[in-house]
Amino acid sequence: QVQLQQSGPGLVKPSQTLSLTCAVSGDSVSSKSAAWNWIRRSPSRGLEWLGRTYYRSKWFNDYAASVKSRITINPDTSKNQFSLQLKSVTPEDTAVYFCARSEQWLGDWGQGTLVTVSS
Amino acid sequence: QSMLTQSPSASGTPGQRVSISCSGSASNIGNNYVYWYHQQLPGTAPKLLIYKSSQRPSGVPDRFSGSKSGTSASLAISGLRSEDEADYYCAAWDDSLSAWVFGGGTKLTVL
Repeated sequence: QVQLQQSGPGLVKPSQTLSLTCAVSGDSVSSKSAAWNWIRRSPSRGLEWLGRTYYRSKWFNDYAASVKSRITINPDTSKNQFSLQLKSVTPEDTAVYFCARSEQWLGDWGQGTLVTVSS
Repeated sequence: QSMLTQSPSASGTPGQRVSISCSGSASNIGNNYVYWYHQQLPGTAPKLLIYKSSQRPSGVPDRFSGSKSGTSASLAISGLRSEDEADYYCAAWDDSLSAWVFGGGTKLTVL
């Protein structure tokens, strides 16, 4: 049973960087069959996939076009976790953020973190 | 703007059958499986209802069924219950974008 546990601040000031971490148990972030995703849900945009990182003999990333210039997703193999950094946030980035594991589909999800962008 | 198109709302009375549609394009639904999720509370994780367009995970009642034709898909719920009231999302991998794309969500109300 794969479990994903999210952590990170719930309040970020405009123009600063949003940072969240997703700790993985029951699988390895270095798995050659899984990918590790970040998704958010907001009232205005619904569910929005942000990006993923995955290992296939080397590390790869895919990012959504809407956030590509501002996003970084990094694995931390020493702690078996992965992180999301979203730079230069605005109130439009206020959302519930989820991490999720995918093989053929987005199957295992974290509990969600409400992140509010406000001064 | 979502890459997959869903009607924003649907409704039915207990016992009825409702259908939720999802429209995409050749690069997503046309070439890949469709997945359906529901989210009963906005802050909770979406739950997988249908995978590979028409398969149900264990534990999902057979009242839920999925189908796909061309660049469209649908989720049908028969024997509607009050606990089915939730937001329903379709999802598919998009080959052109190299990204997961979602529908905008359909809010199902059980009258």
